[in-house]
Amino acid sequence: GENVEQHPSTLSVQEGDSAVIKCTYSDSASNYFPWYKQELGKRPQLIIDIRSNVGEKKDQRIAVTLNKTAKHFSLHITETQPEDSAVYFCAARSNTDKLIFGTGTRLQVFP
Amino acid sequence: NAGVTQTPKFQVLKTGQSMTLQCAQDMNHEYMSWYRQDPGMGLRLIHYSVGAGITDQGEVPNGYNVSRSTTEDFPLRLLSAAPSQTSVYFCASSYSKDSPLHFGNGTRLTVT
Repeated sequence: GENVEQHPSTLSVQEGDSAVIKCTYSDSASNYFPWYKQELGKRPQLIIDIRSNVGEKKDQRIAVTLNKTAKHFSLHITETQPEDSAVYFCAARSNTDKLIFGTGTRLQVFP
Repeated sequence: NAGVTQTPKFQVLKTGQSMTLQCAQDMNHEYMSWYRQDPGMGLRLIHYSVGAGITDQGEVPNGYNVSRSTTEDFPLRLLSAAPSQTSVYFCASSYSKDSPLHFGNGTRLTVT
């Protein structure tokens, strides 16, 4: 079945450094790849998404890249700030309409 | 708009009891889904619906039933609760399958 793997499970960076989270997916027909941020005790919220006809998308300090051939996509956060500390989830939409999530990355940004 | 509303926020059940988690959205979204969140396992899809009258199984459907009689409501039924169903449950909706998911605030369920 469809599967999404996410690495690393935890990531600690110094404020101002960059953070990169990587995901791979199994269904080559997947065409939609969102990223969600979940703060402690709250619901997940979309931070950026990318569709399969685009290789890269940026929104201020956040960027996502997609490599369809290798079936992997990555989240890049530049100039990290303490408020970026949260759990981040990648997801992939399969051709059966399921949105499958990765297992999450806990990002800690130290001042 | 209230967005996605889940009730209850907290629930404690005894093994073998049944209950329904309610989910309603007022955004006229076609796509609705239920996830469970367990530590270290991310968000796992239980059931989903691409429109009223249509439901399908996700990754972990066993022990759960859903129905979608209206566009607004997507209840999740636990038939006979088990301790393995202790989790945080999120309902989510989106305008279409390729639109951002809007999550409810979650229901924390404990089965003893």
